[in-house]
Amino acid sequence: KAGVTQTPRYLIKTRGQQVTLSCSPISGHRSVSWYQQTPGQGLQFLFEYFSETQRNKGNFPGRFSGRQFSNSRSEMNVSTLELGDSALYLCASSPVGGRDTEAFFGQGTRLTVV
Amino acid sequence: GNSVTQMEGPVTLSEEAFLTINCTYTATGYPSLFWYVQYPGEGLQLLLKATKADDKGSNKGFEATYRKETTSFHLEKGSVQVSDSAVYFCALQNSGNTPLVFGKGTRLSVIA
Repeated sequence: KAGVTQTPRYLIKTRGQQVTLSCSPISGHRSVSWYQQTPGQGLQFLFEYFSETQRNKGNFPGRFSGRQFSNSRSEMNVSTLELGDSALYLCASSPVGGRDTEAFFGQGTRLTVV
Repeated sequence: GNSVTQMEGPVTLSEEAFLTINCTYTATGYPSLFWYVQYPGEGLQLLLKATKADDKGSNKGFEATYRKETTSFHLEKGSVQVSDSAVYFCALQNSGNTPLVFGKGTRLSVIA
């Protein structure tokens, strides 16, 4: 069974640009969550999508957005990039999300903003 | 609100030493508790979990017991190996469809 796939693995962007990251969940999983990992702040929750609807949202500015398609694949977009957006972005999928269901993480996309 | 506090690293141990990584939590309600591990260049993998008080999660020689009275979920292993070198994250998830809340992570280095 294929795991969670995130593309691209590495990305370098210039301040002010926008970027789109992609996540393909495990087949059959309908919940996809996104996290930002930085050395200073650790892992912070961005948002969760379930059946194409945003179900939860973390405390990030509106420059961070996402969506989920009918095949459960998800994308997140960051507009007007800032240097502080440099981070590892992790995607996690689970069958239905929520308590007591295991979240499976992808390897992440490392975004560097210069 | 919900939060997780775990001991800061890095932790450096010799092979076969005993490992303890402390984790305490603050939560409303009765959360599920998790330990995740992140190997270099990888995403997070679930190591073990416990869903109610006094439950013990265990996997690959690691153990953690859900202690409601002390709001703790300390990770232990009796004899670490070089291959255990990684970053370990304690996390909680409350009822309903709330997201995972992670601690800052503890980097473990095991030397031969």
